[in-house]
Amino acid sequence: GIQVEQSPPDLILQEGANSTLRCNFSDSVNNLQWFHQNPWGQLINLFYIPSGTKQNGRLSATTVATERYSLLYISSSQTTDSGVYFCAVGDYGQNFVFGPGTRLSVLP
Amino acid sequence: EPEVTQTPSHQVTQMGQEVILRCVPISNHLYFYWYRQILGQKVEFLVSFYNNEISEKSEIFDDQFSVERPDGSNFTLKIRSTKLEDSAMYFCASRVDTGNTIYFGEGSWLTVV
Repeated sequence: GIQVEQSPPDLILQEGANSTLRCNFSDSVNNLQWFHQNPWGQLINLFYIPSGTKQNGRLSATTVATERYSLLYISSSQTTDSGVYFCAVGDYGQNFVFGPGTRLSVLP
Repeated sequence: EPEVTQTPSHQVTQMGQEVILRCVPISNHLYFYWYRQILGQKVEFLVSFYNNEISEKSEIFDDQFSVERPDGSNFTLKIRSTKLEDSAMYFCASRVDTGNTIYFGEGSWLTVV
């Protein structure tokens, strides 16, 4: 099945800093989503982005499907951005597999 | 925005007891999923369900687990005889079709004691 890797595994930032999270995947996909898991365990859907670039406020994401990676950019980070960021990908069947996540800590 | 809803939000159960976790997927969605997340670990796929039958399942989804869509709106996950290692957050998810966004519920936290 599809393999998903995320880097870095852990990231500590000062409030106001920018960051880039990376997701690599092993096969062609027709679905890629980025999630933020908040401290209460909820999975918040950030982007559905199987290809191209999207922006939503301070967050943006880019997926280069031909090279099998996606990037999540967080600008001007805030303490509320802390949590785990997951990339999850789906193939052309029904598989939808999560990466191991990047744990982000934003310090005041 | 439409939501996937899950109940209960938290359940504590004795080892060996049966547990049913309930989900109401988004109304026009056709594909349904259960995932679990052991504390501090990654989100793991359990099972996918389409057209009233299981379409795929992982090795985690053994004979202790079953899923059902009893009434056309609810989607349930049953664990027949819970074990300590079943303690986890269980997420239900749904989507319209395989090329679209998957929407996740807020999760049901199961603690087996």
